[in-house]
Amino acid sequence: DQQVKQNSPSLSVQEGRISILNCDYTNSMFDYFLWYKKYPAEGPTFLISISSIKDKNEDGRFTVFLNKSAKHLSLHIVPSQPGDSAVYFCAAQASGGSYIPTFGRGTSLIVHP
Amino acid sequence: DAGITQSPRHKVTETGTPVTLRCHQTENHRYMYWYRQDPGHGLRLIHYSYGVKDTDKGEVSDGYSVSRSKTEDFLLTLESATSSQTSVYFCAIRGTSGVYNEQFFGPGTRLTVL
Repeated sequence: DQQVKQNSPSLSVQEGRISILNCDYTNSMFDYFLWYKKYPAEGPTFLISISSIKDKNEDGRFTVFLNKSAKHLSLHIVPSQPGDSAVYFCAAQASGGSYIPTFGRGTSLIVHP
Repeated sequence: DAGITQSPRHKVTETGTPVTLRCHQTENHRYMYWYRQDPGHGLRLIHYSYGVKDTDKGEVSDGYSVSRSKTEDFLLTLESATSSQTSVYFCAIRGTSGVYNEQFFGPGTRLTVL
């Protein structure tokens, strides 16, 4: 059973507009959430993270929002650029233990010029 | 750049043959991980290591074994490759800047089992 779900396999957005990527989780023990970005033929790279003690974290054009009661987080990219076209993975982990994140299946974002 | 390399980057092999993939890191990180990425499945953990000679299974460990005899190297072995193991394999390390740390991934190995 998937503990981290990205229900949209793909998303298409016009350049300059906002991209919103969504992620839902089921395990209430998760207390740290991360987004990774992956280009074809490359390894994933860390993008942004958020701790469960916060509800928002911003880094330039990227903002992650966390709604703990709904067990939902979202990644906002504003404004979207063609170079943002990639697969985005949501990941969640619980403090302690072996620091193993659980990944969603990814959302492929295409930003059209 | 977290100094992670994977070798080989591409490999084609036949069903039933043993295959070993290598992950090498230059920064003395304790935790190392092997993932596979398949369409529709995202990143799935195969095995991980929390120190030299200390390893444990992930969610898709059947058919795979690992070894870590040195801090810098983490080997993934397919004892007898099957077509279902055709995938892209990523090695990762865990950063050490705080309690919560992101992972740094290698460039991947594309394995095709015919």
